[in-house]
Amino acid sequence: EPEVTQTPSHQVTQMGQEVILRCVPISNHLYFYWYRQILGQKVEFLVSFYNNEISEKSEIFDDQFSVERPDGSNFTLKIRSTKLEDSAMYFCASTGTSGRLAYEQYFGPGTRLTVT
Amino acid sequence: KNEVEQSPQNLTAQEGEFITINCSYSVGISALHWLQQHPGGGIVSLFMLSSGKKKHGRLIATINIQEKHSSLHITASHPRDSAVYICAVPSFGNEKLTFGTGTRLTIIP
Repeated sequence: EPEVTQTPSHQVTQMGQEVILRCVPISNHLYFYWYRQILGQKVEFLVSFYNNEISEKSEIFDDQFSVERPDGSNFTLKIRSTKLEDSAMYFCASTGTSGRLAYEQYFGPGTRLTVT
Repeated sequence: KNEVEQSPQNLTAQEGEFITINCSYSVGISALHWLQQHPGGGIVSLFMLSSGKKKHGRLIATINIQEKHSSLHITASHPRDSAVYICAVPSFGNEKLTFGTGTRLTIIP
């Protein structure tokens, strides 16, 4: 069964450093998402990506964050200068939706980011 | 903005009991997702439903679109069902999900 993969599974970084979280969505999917979950809190939407551009972003997704799909398979989330409050589990998801109908979202296993 | 409420927040039950977790939302939707989050943090999609009922093994999900309410039931619960169960609703357009706070289920042998 196709699956979404994410690397690394755990990333420890110092405050102020740049991190790149990587995701490989399911190959024929069209919509891609990043969500995050701070420990003990609910999962929150960060950004959605369709047709090689951001389709929507949340208030959390400020100028420190960026996404790209550099090679048609990988989908990356970059945090330019990490803060302590960026420590969270980051989930990538993809769906085959055209945007008109709801389709099941497939989640990656997550990357646990720890900022020290 | 869709508000998603789940109840209960925590549920402890004996093995074999019938489990019900509830989810309500404030804005009409096209479908609702039930997700399972394992202790290690990974998220698995259990159901996506837009009307009526769906069944997968011992899991049953129902939705009442008019009342903006969904329930997840587990029959003959087992300790391996212990996890956090999350409902999530999509937005029209790009289907980003808004998540409930989750229900932490613990099944005692």
